[in-house]
Amino acid sequence: GENVEQHPSTLSVQEGDSAVIKCTYSDSASNYFPWYKQELGKRPQLIIDIRSNVGEKKDQRIAVTLNKTAKHFSLHITETQPEDSAVYFCAARGYSNTGNQFYFGTGTSLTVIP
Amino acid sequence: KAGVTQTPRYLIKTRGQQVTLSCSPISGHRSVSWYQQTPGQGLQFLFEYFSETQRNKGNFPGRFSGRQFSNSRSEMNVSTLELGDSALYLCASRATGGLYTDTQYFGPGTRLTVL
Repeated sequence: GENVEQHPSTLSVQEGDSAVIKCTYSDSASNYFPWYKQELGKRPQLIIDIRSNVGEKKDQRIAVTLNKTAKHFSLHITETQPEDSAVYFCAARGYSNTGNQFYFGTGTSLTVIP
Repeated sequence: KAGVTQTPRYLIKTRGQQVTLSCSPISGHRSVSWYQQTPGQGLQFLFEYFSETQRNKGNFPGRFSGRQFSNSRSEMNVSTLELGDSALYLCASRATGGLYTDTQYFGPGTRLTVL
């Protein structure tokens, strides 16, 4: 099955700086890569996603890039704000011997320092 | 539309007991997936149900089981609880049968503590 690795596990940035979180995956058949934000005590919320036929996608201050050859994808947050502080998870929809499922990274705890 | 709901939100059990968790998906969503979330392990996929059938299963022991009803509501059962089963259990629903039906919407989770 798929294996998703996420780095770094913790990240601290000054307000206004950029934050980058990187994920790698192992299965070249994976074709959908969402990113979730989970604030303390709350449910994971989808913030952006990308499909394998696209190299980059932006939504205001958030962007995701995908390199299929290298099997990695990254989340970029610009002009960070204190409310961006949360745990971020990447995921890949991959294939196991029982069908397709989502494989998650272990999360990055982002702290934005005012 | 109302979001994904889960009940109960908190549970405390002792080793050896069993527990049943419930998930109601977004109206019209027929796929429900369950995940176990623990610190350092992220989200681990348990299983997915679609139209009352389990279509996918993660790498968990047989003590973890589930089912889905005709109204798409799903239950997850854990028998013979172990201390290591303490976790946040999340369910997620998604639409099926059209374009871009990949997006999963998560419920608030059930926090299970095993003593």
